[in-house]
Amino acid sequence: EDKVVQSPLSLVVHEGDTVTLNCSYEVTNFRSLLWYKQEKKAPTFLFMLTSSGIEKKSGRLSSILDKKELSSILNITATQTGDSAIYLCAIEYGNKLVFGAGTILRVKS
Amino acid sequence: DGGITQSPKYLFRKEGQNVTLSCEQNLNHDAMYWYRQDPGQGLRLIYYSQIVNDFQKGDIAEGYSVSREKKESFPLTVTSAQKNPTAFYLCASSIPRMNTEAFFGQGTRLTVV
Repeated sequence: EDKVVQSPLSLVVHEGDTVTLNCSYEVTNFRSLLWYKQEKKAPTFLFMLTSSGIEKKSGRLSSILDKKELSSILNITATQTGDSAIYLCAIEYGNKLVFGAGTILRVKS
Repeated sequence: DGGITQSPKYLFRKEGQNVTLSCEQNLNHDAMYWYRQDPGQGLRLIYYSQIVNDFQKGDIAEGYSVSREKKESFPLTVTSAQKNPTAFYLCASSIPRMNTEAFFGQGTRLTVV
């Protein structure tokens, strides 16, 4: 069964909109939750979250982990066309790094 | 410069042939992973390895095989038993249990005709 579930699967917004991407997981004893952005080939690292309730920010992107709800969100404010990509959530547990199906974000100008 | 190198970038093979995808890293990472990505979808774990001479099956290992004879290298063989091998294959490496991110290669796009 899927250990990491992302929603929505795809999303189309207009430039300037704010989006919230969700990641829920089933594993409780994980070491970290990671967010990646994939535009063409290799995913690029965005955030690593290990502690609940502590927001991480990078420019217009931010992310937070809620261990009680077994979930994480990735927020993007004032979206730009360059934000169009697949956003991937992953959890590191046991000796594995397991990804969700991703959210395809398309930002229209 | 340190990084992960996958080769080739594009690969075409005839149905029924085995093919090996290369993944080399000079980051001194112990853990290495192989993922498969189909169009518009996320990454599915094929195999992973935490140390040399040891590896485990991921979620979709059937039709694939790997070896880990050297720390730097983790080649993936797509065998003729894999029913639908056409996909984008990504290799990654990390330092296990250290709360650091995984680094990815640029991927190999395999097309079986």
